[in-house]
Amino acid sequence: EVQLVESGGGLVQPGGSLRLSCAASGFTFTSYSMNWVRQAPGKGLEWVAFITSSSNNIYYADSVKGRFTISRDNAKNSLYLQMNSLRADDTGVYYCARADDFWGQGTLVTVSS
Amino acid sequence: QPVLTQSSSASASLGSSVTLTCTLTSGHSNYIIAWHQQQPGKAPRYLMKQGSGFYNKGSGVPDRFSGSSSGADRYLTISNLQSEDEADYYCGTWDSNSWVFGGGTKLTVL
Repeated sequence: EVQLVESGGGLVQPGGSLRLSCAASGFTFTSYSMNWVRQAPGKGLEWVAFITSSSNNIYYADSVKGRFTISRDNAKNSLYLQMNSLRADDTGVYYCARADDFWGQGTLVTVSS
Repeated sequence: QPVLTQSSSASASLGSSVTLTCTLTSGHSNYIIAWHQQQPGKAPRYLMKQGSGFYNKGSGVPDRFSGSSSGADRYLTISNLQSEDEADYYCGTWDSNSWVFGGGTKLTVL
């Protein structure tokens, strides 16, 4: 059974940092590119970042470029999102997604003082 | 970069059929899109990938869900509507280096 389990969300003050993790199982992790997608409260889906299977290509949404870093550890079947200089408008549920065909359950990030 | 346009809301009666539309911008009419369902309070769920003349559903997606297309329009049809079909439906597509989503359609089952 394919599973993606996110963790690491929580409450953080503006300007702070947080690292999200996504544990993958039930499929060959090394064969898939991965994404982070977020959803602000009551809003639609917003793509955040993409990484290819070998980490050779990485792309970011303009809204997070220079502040967020996507990475993966294929030996651990894990995807990460390092988030720095967090702002209030980064608040939302963060989902990891296998390419565009499977989603995790999400982890909530709240940026507030 | 393509823009995907969806109606903000739709409604249909239990047991009936409904068709949701996702329209690609001019010049991107040959793009393949994917549909995702998000039930209230839940994570999105992949439904199908769709292009001109084909659609491929994800594992476990009921036969009631089907896709079709015409030019730049991509259609998701849900037959025999069930209460659990009440959800937000998003279309999305890949451009050269970004994943683009439509604004989503909120489907209400009456």
